[in-house]
Amino acid sequence: GAVVSQHPSRVICKSGTSVKIECRSLDFQATTMFWYRQFPKKSLMLMATSNEGSKATYEQGVEKDKFLINHASLTLSTLTVTSAHPEDSSFYICSASLRSNNEQFFGPGTRLTVL
Amino acid sequence: GENVEQHPSTLSVQEGDSAVIKCTYSDSASNYFPWYKQELGKGPQLIIDIRSNVGEKKDQRIAVTLNKTAKHFSLHITETQPEDSAVYFCAAVGGTSYGKLTFGQGTILTVHP
Repeated sequence: GAVVSQHPSRVICKSGTSVKIECRSLDFQATTMFWYRQFPKKSLMLMATSNEGSKATYEQGVEKDKFLINHASLTLSTLTVTSAHPEDSSFYICSASLRSNNEQFFGPGTRLTVL
Repeated sequence: GENVEQHPSTLSVQEGDSAVIKCTYSDSASNYFPWYKQELGKGPQLIIDIRSNVGEKKDQRIAVTLNKTAKHFSLHITETQPEDSAVYFCAAVGGTSYGKLTFGQGTILTVHP
Protein backbone atom coordinates (compact mmCIF):
# COMPACT_ATOMS: atom_id res chain seq x y z
CA GLY A 1 0.00 0.00 0.00
CA ALA A 2 0.84 3.73 0.13
CA VAL A 3 1.93 4.09 -3.48
CA VAL A 4 2.47 7.53 -4.96
CA SER A 5 3.06 8.06 -8.65
CA GLN A 6 4.43 11.02 -10.57
CA HIS A 7 4.19 11.85 -14.23
CA PRO A 8 6.23 12.50 -16.22
CA SER A 9 9.39 10.95 -14.78
CA ARG A 10 11.58 13.06 -17.02
CA VAL A 11 10.94 16.15 -19.10
CA ILE A 12 13.12 18.33 -21.26
CA CYS A 13 11.71 21.63 -22.43
CA LYS A 14 12.75 24.92 -23.99
CA SER A 15 13.14 28.05 -21.94
CA GLY A 16 9.88 29.98 -21.66
CA THR A 17 7.53 27.00 -21.81
CA SER A 18 5.36 25.72 -18.97
CA VAL A 19 5.59 22.22 -17.58
CA LYS A 20 2.95 20.36 -15.58
CA ILE A 21 3.84 17.55 -13.19
CA GLU A 22 1.16 15.25 -11.78
CA CYS A 23 1.26 13.54 -8.41
CA ARG A 24 -1.22 10.79 -7.60
CA SER A 25 -1.82 8.69 -4.50
CA LEU A 26 -2.85 5.35 -5.98
CA ASP A 27 -4.23 3.38 -3.07
CA PHE A 28 -5.22 5.90 -0.44
CA GLN A 29 -6.81 9.30 -0.12
CA ALA A 30 -4.24 11.86 0.87
CA THR A 31 -5.40 14.73 3.03
CA THR A 32 -2.26 16.64 2.22
CA MET A 33 0.32 16.61 -0.54
CA PHE A 34 3.72 18.23 -0.43
CA TRP A 35 6.03 19.38 -3.22
CA TYR A 36 9.79 19.30 -2.84
CA ARG A 37 12.75 20.31 -4.92
CA GLN A 38 16.09 18.55 -4.67
CA PHE A 39 19.44 19.69 -6.03
CA PRO A 40 22.23 17.18 -6.72
CA LYS A 41 23.73 15.73 -3.56
CA LYS A 42 21.46 17.88 -1.40
CA SER A 43 18.55 17.28 0.90
CA LEU A 44 14.91 17.83 -0.02
CA MET A 45 13.67 21.41 0.09
CA LEU A 46 9.97 21.85 0.78
CA MET A 47 8.33 24.16 -1.73
CA ALA A 48 4.68 24.06 -0.73
CA THR A 49 1.97 22.23 1.16
CA SER A 50 -1.24 21.44 -0.66
CA ASN A 51 -4.59 20.51 0.83
CA GLU A 52 -7.45 19.28 -1.29
CA GLY A 53 -9.85 22.05 -2.24
CA SER A 54 -7.81 24.90 -0.81
CA LYS A 55 -4.94 27.12 -1.85
CA ALA A 56 -1.44 25.82 -1.40
CA THR A 57 0.80 27.20 1.33
CA TYR A 58 4.19 28.17 -0.06
CA GLU A 59 7.46 28.18 1.84
CA GLN A 60 9.37 31.40 2.17
CA GLY A 61 11.24 32.27 -1.00
CA VAL A 62 9.12 30.12 -3.30
CA GLU A 63 7.27 32.13 -5.96
CA LYS A 64 3.64 31.07 -6.02
CA ASP A 65 3.10 32.57 -9.48
CA LYS A 66 6.08 30.63 -10.78
CA PHE A 67 5.13 27.29 -9.25
CA LEU A 68 1.37 26.84 -9.56
CA ILE A 69 -0.13 24.09 -7.46
CA ASN A 70 -3.59 22.65 -7.91
CA HIS A 71 -5.05 20.00 -5.62
CA ALA A 72 -8.33 19.08 -7.24
CA SER A 73 -9.01 15.82 -5.44
CA LEU A 74 -7.80 13.66 -2.57
CA THR A 75 -5.69 11.64 -4.99
CA LEU A 76 -4.29 14.23 -7.39
CA SER A 77 -2.12 17.31 -7.09
CA THR A 78 -0.35 19.10 -9.94
CA LEU A 79 2.66 21.39 -10.02
CA THR A 80 3.04 23.69 -13.01
CA VAL A 81 6.36 25.38 -13.55
CA THR A 82 5.44 28.46 -15.55
CA SER A 83 7.78 30.12 -18.04
CA ALA A 84 10.54 27.71 -17.13
CA HIS A 85 14.16 28.84 -17.26
CA PRO A 86 17.40 26.86 -16.98
CA GLU A 87 17.67 27.68 -13.27
CA ASP A 88 14.40 25.79 -12.73
CA SER A 89 16.12 22.58 -13.81
CA SER A 90 15.95 20.24 -10.85
CA PHE A 91 14.49 17.05 -9.40
CA TYR A 92 10.92 17.66 -8.24
CA ILE A 93 9.37 15.21 -5.79
CA CYS A 94 5.88 15.06 -4.35
CA SER A 95 4.64 13.27 -1.29
CA ALA A 96 1.21 12.34 -0.04
CA SER A 97 0.24 12.22 3.58
CA LEU A 98 -2.40 10.98 5.90
CA ARG A 99 -2.40 13.98 8.17
CA SER A 100 -3.78 11.94 11.04
CA ASN A 101 -0.51 10.07 11.53
CA ASN A 102 2.05 12.34 9.80
CA GLU A 103 3.32 9.58 7.52
CA GLN A 104 4.48 10.84 4.12
CA PHE A 105 4.94 8.64 1.08
CA PHE A 106 7.01 9.95 -1.77
CA GLY A 107 6.63 9.73 -5.50
CA PRO A 108 9.51 8.64 -7.74
CA GLY A 109 10.35 12.20 -8.73
CA THR A 110 10.42 14.17 -11.97
CA ARG A 111 13.68 15.28 -13.54
CA LEU A 112 13.13 18.65 -15.24
CA THR A 113 15.72 19.97 -17.65
CA VAL A 114 15.17 23.40 -19.16
CA LEU A 115 17.31 24.19 -22.17
CA GLY B 1 11.07 26.16 13.67
CA GLU B 2 12.53 22.67 13.73
CA ASN B 3 16.18 22.07 12.83
CA VAL B 4 17.59 18.60 12.17
CA GLU B 5 21.29 17.82 12.06
CA GLN B 6 22.51 14.52 10.60
CA HIS B 7 25.90 12.82 10.89
CA PRO B 8 28.00 11.52 9.30
CA SER B 9 27.61 12.92 5.79
CA THR B 10 29.33 9.87 4.32
CA LEU B 11 29.77 6.38 5.75
CA SER B 12 31.71 3.53 4.23
CA VAL B 13 31.49 -0.01 5.66
CA GLN B 14 32.36 -3.54 4.67
CA GLU B 15 29.60 -5.98 3.84
CA GLY B 16 28.36 -7.62 7.03
CA ASP B 17 29.36 -4.73 9.28
CA SER B 18 26.88 -2.50 11.10
CA ALA B 19 26.14 1.10 10.15
CA VAL B 20 24.88 3.81 12.47
CA ILE B 21 23.56 7.22 11.44
CA LYS B 22 22.69 9.85 14.04
CA CYS B 23 20.37 12.84 14.03
CA THR B 24 19.56 15.57 16.50
CA TYR B 25 16.52 17.82 16.50
CA SER B 26 15.72 21.11 18.15
CA ASP B 27 11.95 21.18 18.72
CA SER B 28 11.08 19.32 21.92
CA ALA B 29 7.47 19.10 20.69
CA SER B 30 8.45 16.98 17.67
CA ASN B 31 6.65 13.67 17.81
CA TYR B 32 7.33 11.73 14.62
CA PHE B 33 10.72 10.68 13.25
CA PRO B 34 10.91 8.81 9.94
CA TRP B 35 13.94 7.53 8.09
CA TYR B 36 14.10 7.46 4.30
CA LYS B 37 16.35 5.65 1.85
CA GLN B 38 16.92 7.32 -1.51
CA GLU B 39 18.57 5.58 -4.42
CA LEU B 40 20.04 7.54 -7.30
CA GLY B 41 17.36 9.15 -9.47
CA LYS B 42 14.49 7.92 -7.30
CA GLY B 43 12.20 9.33 -4.67
CA PRO B 44 12.80 8.69 -0.95
CA GLN B 45 11.42 5.44 0.43
CA LEU B 46 10.23 5.21 4.02
CA ILE B 47 12.19 2.43 5.72
CA ILE B 48 11.30 2.85 9.36
CA ASP B 49 9.81 5.44 11.67
CA ILE B 50 9.37 6.03 15.37
CA ARG B 51 6.99 8.11 17.42
CA SER B 52 7.78 10.03 20.56
CA ASN B 53 6.05 7.58 22.88
CA VAL B 54 8.48 4.78 21.95
CA GLY B 55 12.20 4.47 22.63
CA GLU B 56 13.14 1.82 20.11
CA LYS B 57 11.71 0.08 17.08
CA LYS B 58 13.12 -2.77 15.04
CA ASP B 59 12.32 -4.24 11.65
CA GLN B 60 14.58 -7.12 10.65
CA ARG B 61 18.06 -5.63 10.07
CA ILE B 62 16.97 -2.06 10.69
CA ALA B 63 16.36 -0.42 14.05
CA VAL B 64 15.75 3.11 15.23
CA THR B 65 16.30 4.49 18.72
CA LEU B 66 14.95 7.71 20.16
CA ASN B 67 16.21 9.68 23.15
CA LYS B 68 13.67 12.43 23.82
CA THR B 69 15.62 13.93 26.67
CA ALA B 70 18.71 14.43 24.53
CA LYS B 71 16.64 15.11 21.41
CA HIS B 72 18.44 12.66 19.21
CA PHE B 73 17.55 9.56 17.26
CA SER B 74 19.63 7.01 15.40
CA LEU B 75 19.33 4.50 12.59
CA HIS B 76 21.07 1.15 12.99
CA ILE B 77 21.57 -1.22 10.09
CA THR B 78 23.07 -4.61 10.92
CA GLU B 79 24.60 -7.17 8.57
CA THR B 80 24.89 -4.57 5.83
CA GLN B 81 24.64 -5.64 2.20
CA PRO B 82 25.78 -3.87 -0.98
CA GLU B 83 22.14 -3.14 -1.83
CA ASP B 84 21.94 -1.03 1.33
CA SER B 85 24.17 1.50 -0.42
CA ALA B 86 22.12 4.68 -0.87
CA VAL B 87 21.52 8.09 0.66
CA TYR B 88 19.69 7.99 3.98
CA PHE B 89 17.71 10.92 5.35
CA CYS B 90 16.32 11.39 8.81
CA ALA B 91 13.41 13.74 9.38
CA ALA B 92 11.24 15.13 12.12
CA VAL B 93 7.74 16.48 12.33
CA GLY B 94 7.48 19.31 14.80
CA GLY B 95 4.63 19.83 17.18
CA THR B 96 3.29 22.85 15.33
CA SER B 97 4.54 22.15 11.81
CA TYR B 98 1.21 20.87 10.47
CA GLY B 99 2.74 17.64 9.29
CA LYS B 100 5.70 19.20 7.50
CA LEU B 101 8.90 17.18 7.53
CA THR B 102 12.21 18.80 8.36
CA PHE B 103 14.99 16.74 6.81
CA GLY B 104 18.54 16.14 7.87
CA GLN B 105 21.32 16.75 5.39
CA GLY B 106 21.58 13.11 4.34
CA THR B 107 24.19 10.36 4.70
CA ILE B 108 25.75 8.62 1.73
CA LEU B 109 26.19 4.99 2.80
CA THR B 110 28.50 2.79 0.77
CA VAL B 111 28.69 -0.92 1.54
CA HIS B 112 31.74 -2.59 0.00
CA PRO B 113 31.41 -6.25 -0.99
